[in-house]
Amino acid sequence: DIQMTQSPSTVSASVGDRVTITCRASQSPSTWLAWYQQKPGKAPKLLIYKVSSLESGVPSRFSGSGSGTEFTLTISSLQPDDFAAYYCQQYYSYWTFGQGTKVEIK
Amino acid sequence: EVQLVESGGGLIQPGGSLRLSCAASGFTVSSNSMTWVRQAPGKGLEWVSVIYSGGSTYYPDSVKGRFIISRDNSKNTLYLQMNNLRAEDTAVYYCARDRNSGPPGAFDYWGQGILVTVSS
Repeated sequence: DIQMTQSPSTVSASVGDRVTITCRASQSPSTWLAWYQQKPGKAPKLLIYKVSSLESGVPSRFSGSGSGTEFTLTISSLQPDDFAAYYCQQYYSYWTFGQGTKVEIK
Repeated sequence: EVQLVESGGGLIQPGGSLRLSCAASGFTVSSNSMTWVRQAPGKGLEWVSVIYSGGSTYYPDSVKGRFIISRDNSKNTLYLQMNNLRAEDTAVYYCARDRNSGPPGAFDYWGQGILVTVSS
């Protein structure tokens, strides 16, 4: 099984800040890496797939990058709607998620 | 418009069985891989089953032998039969569509989630 580890677990930030979340895999998922946003009481929402492809309708302030076993989600300028939990997911070998990163108001 | 609507959750005693349903609209469930994902209270996301467009099914060890995923193409509905339920199966269960019809992909549409509570 491919294990996914996110850091940090929580990030405190202000509107307008640049936020970066890291996801490390126990072995390379190739390019089969996605990111999701989840708000309390709601289903996850796909933001990025295949490391850096932006899902339709997702604002361009979200971007993904990385290779090998280290991947990054960046929010270029944090907006009020972005305070939420974020999860990475590998789909190279079935599916596993990171433990999540909560983006909270500083 | 693609929509997924889950039903069938509730409170069940340990050792009991429950069947979740996920009614799909806006696409055909047999044309994509379909999955169930769960989230225990205050915890992260865990994939629990997949049915590929060709009909093959797979499960993680945590539910293998207890959960069965299936679909009814005539009703355009996905199911999850959960048997021998344990307290650790307590979670919100989501059905989700794999954006690919072939190799595994990311999940582009999700249901609203349904709570399953296993407790005596």
